[in-house]
Amino acid sequence: KNQVEQSPQSLIILEGKNCTLQCNYTVSPFSNLRWYKQDTGRGPVSLTIMTFSENTKSNGRYTATLDADTKQSSLHITASQLSDSASYICVVTSNAGKSTFGDGTTLTVKP
Amino acid sequence: NAGVTQTPKFQVLKTGQSMTLQCAQDMNHNSMYWYRQDPGMGLRLIYYSASEGTTDKGEVPNGYNVSRLNKREFSLRLESAAPSQTSVYFCASSPNDRGLGETQYFGPGTRLLVL
Repeated sequence: KNQVEQSPQSLIILEGKNCTLQCNYTVSPFSNLRWYKQDTGRGPVSLTIMTFSENTKSNGRYTATLDADTKQSSLHITASQLSDSASYICVVTSNAGKSTFGDGTTLTVKP
Repeated sequence: NAGVTQTPKFQVLKTGQSMTLQCAQDMNHNSMYWYRQDPGMGLRLIYYSASEGTTDKGEVPNGYNVSRLNKREFSLRLESAAPSQTSVYFCASSPNDRGLGETQYFGPGTRLLVL
């Protein structure tokens, strides 16, 4: 069964600090991996997409990495801001077109 | 451009009542989706429509029906609501078929409570 596991489940950091969120998956054959940001009470918004051949991709202060061999991805947030407080969802899509959503990591940035 | 809109925002139902959740997108997307999100759990696909005139079951279709009314609109119907259907429902759309793993654009959600 295809699975996507995210860790930690929740995280609290101080404003200005960096943090890294993890996503491990068993989806195969792999097509792509996306990170979404979901603010409280809102729908998810795509941050980045990574395909098999990509190792690193940045979107402002967000940097996603992918290791397709170990089936791991990470989302690194630099110089966190209060507005980064949200849930971050990892979604992995197989070549068959099926997308599997992780349960998300809830990030709280405190002043 | 409003993107993806959903109505209503909130709804309280009694067990056994029926209701329809409405979703519309103005991005000329071909594919539309309905998800439910329960506390501490990931989004689960209920139904999707790869293109106008087609609908397919997702991961958790039981207790739901859908209608792709036209290219813009995709509705989700609960014929006889049950407390287990208390959840937040998200509609999403993407330019083409989900098989491409495209970015999906989500609506703001409908919060449904079934008593």
